[in-house]
Amino acid sequence: GDSVTQMEGPVTLSEEAFLTINCTYTATGYPSLFWYVQYPGEGLQLLLKATKADDKGSNKGFEATYRKETTSFHLEKGSVQVSDSAVYFCALSNTRSDYKLSFGAGTTVTVRA
Amino acid sequence: DTGVSQDPRHKITKRGQNVTFRCDPISEHNRLYWYRQTLGQGPEFLTYFQNEAQLEKSRLLSDRFSAERPKGSFSTLEIQRTEQGDSAMYLCASSPGLAVQETQYFGPGTRLLVL
Repeated sequence: GDSVTQMEGPVTLSEEAFLTINCTYTATGYPSLFWYVQYPGEGLQLLLKATKADDKGSNKGFEATYRKETTSFHLEKGSVQVSDSAVYFCALSNTRSDYKLSFGAGTTVTVRA
Repeated sequence: DTGVSQDPRHKITKRGQNVTFRCDPISEHNRLYWYRQTLGQGPEFLTYFQNEAQLEKSRLLSDRFSAERPKGSFSTLEIQRTEQGDSAMYLCASSPGLAVQETQYFGPGTRLLVL
């Protein structure tokens, strides 16, 4: 079945540091890939997505590129802020599984001033 | 657009009691999903509806769990004879249901604690 593996946390960074969270997936067919973010005390929010190979999703300074050859969708941000402290989830949906999302375990990121 | 809402936000119950959660999706969204999230884990799929039809149920959904979406609008998730292992965050999401690869929009969740 479909599965997502993401980098274990927690990750602690200083403000303006570079952030990378690794995500790899296993899926049949042509999945779509997503990054969701959960800020403290809030619900899951879509951060960015990519629907086909070589697509790059971007939002709020975050980027991720859908790499079919390495089955990866790593999240990056060049200069993090304290407000980026959150839990980040990589997820995929697949036309062969009626679009339900399969999530990774989440990575907790803490950015210190 | 008011987003997906869930009620209650928190529920504490004693083992063996029944609980019911409600989800109101974004207006005119045809697909509605339920997920469960335990501490330190990502959400896991439970079930989903296309309009009022329940099209898939996860093996995680034991016989004690039942979900309905009677008029294709709001949905309820009932857990009968709750067990301590049912303690989790229950998330609802909706999507338009009109296209492939569409985004699911999540509600704030209902946090259940079974004592």
